[in-house]
Amino acid sequence: DTGVSQDPRHKITKRGQNVTFRCDPISEHNRLYWYRQTLGQGPEFLTYFQNEAQLEKSRLLSDRFSAERPKGSFSTLEIQRTEQGDSAMYLCASSLSEGSGTAETQYFGPGTRLLVL
Amino acid sequence: DAKTTQPNSMESNEEEPVHLPCNHSTISGTDYIHWYRQLPSQGPEYVIHGLTSNVNNRMASLAIAEDRKSSTLILHRATLRDAAVYYCILRGLYNFNKFYFGSGTKLNVKP
Repeated sequence: DTGVSQDPRHKITKRGQNVTFRCDPISEHNRLYWYRQTLGQGPEFLTYFQNEAQLEKSRLLSDRFSAERPKGSFSTLEIQRTEQGDSAMYLCASSLSEGSGTAETQYFGPGTRLLVL
Repeated sequence: DAKTTQPNSMESNEEEPVHLPCNHSTISGTDYIHWYRQLPSQGPEYVIHGLTSNVNNRMASLAIAEDRKSSTLILHRATLRDAAVYYCILRGLYNFNKFYFGSGTKLNVKP
């Protein structure tokens, strides 16, 4: 399978613990995105990388959240001191940049479902 | 960000056409109209996109109004596998790096 993969698919943790999620994009894709989705809502943008550079972060991304993309390949999203409000599906997407980017397609992974007890 | 308005839910019978509407009255001239869908327990998947002209692909057709303030996603023959949440998204020069998904339209397909 050459699509976007995410690991783990499910994570249950206790409030106050740290968690880290991994995303492996489609190999030639230079753009990588993280989204968060809560029940009944559409995905919300969190952050975006072009190669290894993190170019934009949403106001949703508090200081407890950090994302990296070393070497411009896979990416990790870490949440420190988790709170019950962090419970959500965390989605990763990747794309290949085409000019302005307005027409390019994002390919999504299956997501990591986080439950904070 | 330019926003879109979609009905919360729609219902269709299997093997019948489905027309999913989207209003985007604040669309700018450089905004592309993208449609994605999300099957249960999966990440969103690309369906189709267009700028001004109607578009067809193997999954669906996209009909864009002449003034571009609305568009319609057309599934020619709905199957049970098409039951999903469908999102209409505008993507422009100033927000190309992120999608604003909204709540989408939940499509139920009856056998």
